[in-house]
Amino acid sequence: RKEVEQDPGPFNVPEGATVAFNCTYSNSASQSFFWYRQDCRKEPKLLMSVYSSGNEDGRFTAQLNRASQYISLLIRDSKLSDSATYLCAVRGGGLKTIFGAGTRLFVKA
Amino acid sequence: DVKVTQSSRYLVKRTGEKVFLECVQDMDHENMFWYRQDPGLGLRLIYFSYDVKMKEKGDIPEGYSVSREKKERFSLILESASTNQTSMYLCASRGDNNQPQHFGDGTRLSIL
Repeated sequence: RKEVEQDPGPFNVPEGATVAFNCTYSNSASQSFFWYRQDCRKEPKLLMSVYSSGNEDGRFTAQLNRASQYISLLIRDSKLSDSATYLCAVRGGGLKTIFGAGTRLFVKA
Repeated sequence: DVKVTQSSRYLVKRTGEKVFLECVQDMDHENMFWYRQDPGLGLRLIYFSYDVKMKEKGDIPEGYSVSREKKERFSLILESASTNQTSMYLCASRGDNNQPQHFGDGTRLSIL
């Protein structure tokens, strides 16, 4: 089993839709969680950190479920510009961050 | 904002050459990382460093070495480049353990 797993997609949604991605992790001692966005042929860019109580940034909401060992990202009112690959990242107590392979999202007009 | 700068966006080298990829960060971060990213395989950690002159192997260190002589600079070295090292190389840096990593623009390296 991979340490961090994501559905690769692609998710094809119309503009204005709400879409959610999950990311499961295997290390129950994981302490830090993040979502990154990566555009084609570009570097991953931090979208948001994920806090225990859940957090929101505009149209984006991130949540952590420690009991079931997954994090989620919800995007409301999808825009064409949201089309990208979304990577989750998980870190335990050590120095290494484990990245998921990414979920591809296509938002269509 | 954190700035991580990689020396080249695109690089073409020949098999057997020694290749240097440079990475500089401006946030006084202790931790720096080198990854490669290939289609279908995601990000794979090559080497990382948690302090000057300190280095640790990642998941795929074979064929690579690194150098960290100054805190702001972390270099990746391909000792004798091979075609299977054609890839996108990404450098990242991070402050303390609760902070996220920040990536450079990436170097798309082709070995012919």
